[in-house]
Amino acid sequence: QTVVTQEPSFSVSPGGTVTLTCGLNYGSVSSDYYPSWYQQTPGQAPRTLIYNTNRRSSGVPDRFSGSILGNKAALTITGAQADDECDYYCVLYMGRDIEVVFGGGTKLTVL
Amino acid sequence: EVQLVESGGGLVKPGESLRLSCATSGLTFSNVWMSWVRQAPGKGLEWIGRIKTKIDGATIDYAAPVKGRFTISRDDSKSTVYVQMNSLRTEDTADYYCVTEIHYHYYMDVWGRGTTVTVSS
Repeated sequence: QTVVTQEPSFSVSPGGTVTLTCGLNYGSVSSDYYPSWYQQTPGQAPRTLIYNTNRRSSGVPDRFSGSILGNKAALTITGAQADDECDYYCVLYMGRDIEVVFGGGTKLTVL
Repeated sequence: EVQLVESGGGLVKPGESLRLSCATSGLTFSNVWMSWVRQAPGKGLEWIGRIKTKIDGATIDYAAPVKGRFTISRDDSKSTVYVQMNSLRTEDTADYYCVTEIHYHYYMDVWGRGTTVTVSS
């Protein structure tokens, strides 16, 4: 069974830089899996941040960037702000049926 | 502006059925793949399935936990996507979101606000 792995939690200081990662329980993540990233504040619908590894969705500030780091997809937030404190999910597209697989999410704390 | 509005959520007993709708506006609906994503209380996001466009065969893909119980359909004349949920279980309790899916870049783009389904005896 495919499991997409994310850090359960992470913290960053205001103004700091943080990199969240997205891996697989087997093998490496590459651009072939079309990694994307979504932000969700409590009680709200998710918002799309990054798609196709490193493309920013419309209206997303350039503080958010995506990449492949080693064998994982990565979301880097530069100059963290208080309202970046929320949950972040990655998605990989898998298999012939292009199944959508979410990671378990990372709860980011800014303090 | 693209808008998605889900409806049809509510409280049902285990084994019962429910149909959710997602009305869309501001897009050429017939050209867009549509997905459903759910989130159980306090848990992460879970993709449950998608329906492709007619030009792509209107193929429907389901995640394993709902295959055989849920049916996704679309009505391009109404710019609406549906999910018929049968044999509901307590573990189907969740917020259900419809999402546009950009298939040529493989990602989910615009999200609805969600509708809540509670399955409880």
